[in-house]
Amino acid sequence: KNEVEQSPQNLTAQEGEFITINCSYSVGISALHWLQQHPGGGIVSLFMLSSGKKKHGRLIATINIQEKHSSLHITASHPRDSAVYICAVRLQGGSEKLVFGKGTKLTVNP
Amino acid sequence: GAVVSQHPSWVICKSGTSVKIECRSLDFQATTMFWYRQFPKQSLMLMATSNEGSKATYEQGVEKDKFLINHASLTLSTLTVTSAHPEDSSFYICSAGPVLFPSQQYFGPGTRLTVT
Repeated sequence: KNEVEQSPQNLTAQEGEFITINCSYSVGISALHWLQQHPGGGIVSLFMLSSGKKKHGRLIATINIQEKHSSLHITASHPRDSAVYICAVRLQGGSEKLVFGKGTKLTVNP
Repeated sequence: GAVVSQHPSWVICKSGTSVKIECRSLDFQATTMFWYRQFPKQSLMLMATSNEGSKATYEQGVEKDKFLINHASLTLSTLTVTSAHPEDSSFYICSAGPVLFPSQQYFGPGTRLTVT
């Protein structure tokens, strides 16, 4: 079992829909990252969370440390949101290394 | 926001040659940079942790003599793939964390290496 599990693996939505991507982890962490990777390959860091909730534009990320679970929400989805969304955790213990989930491929159709 | 660049963005080389990939933090200093590789439809795999002024720390299974890492300054780390083979063809990505906020990772745009 991977230390970081994402669901769903693939997600197709219609423009305007509310989207949720989930991430569960089985290890102690000091922070969790949500990353976005577009088809060209470049990776953008969307959020870094250690507790609670963060919002940036149409994106919202939440984390529940006790349940070892995080969600990424996209409101009013748009075709340009189509990308792979990756959850990555930084393990407790002071290391800066990240452990990555396998990603969720999101396709938003017009 | 902080920017990390990689050069080249793509490279094609012949089997047996060496290829150098640069990772630069453009507007911040980074004590530590990370090198990842990514195969199609798979997630990132950490290859090594590059520390300025010291030897890189390689992950299990990564050949340090094949993937040479040099972190000569607080803004530049290089990955050299020596004696490249077709199986080294992959997408290589670096990331860096600012000295003041090392937990915040900024990723480079990646370098696509094709070995023929």
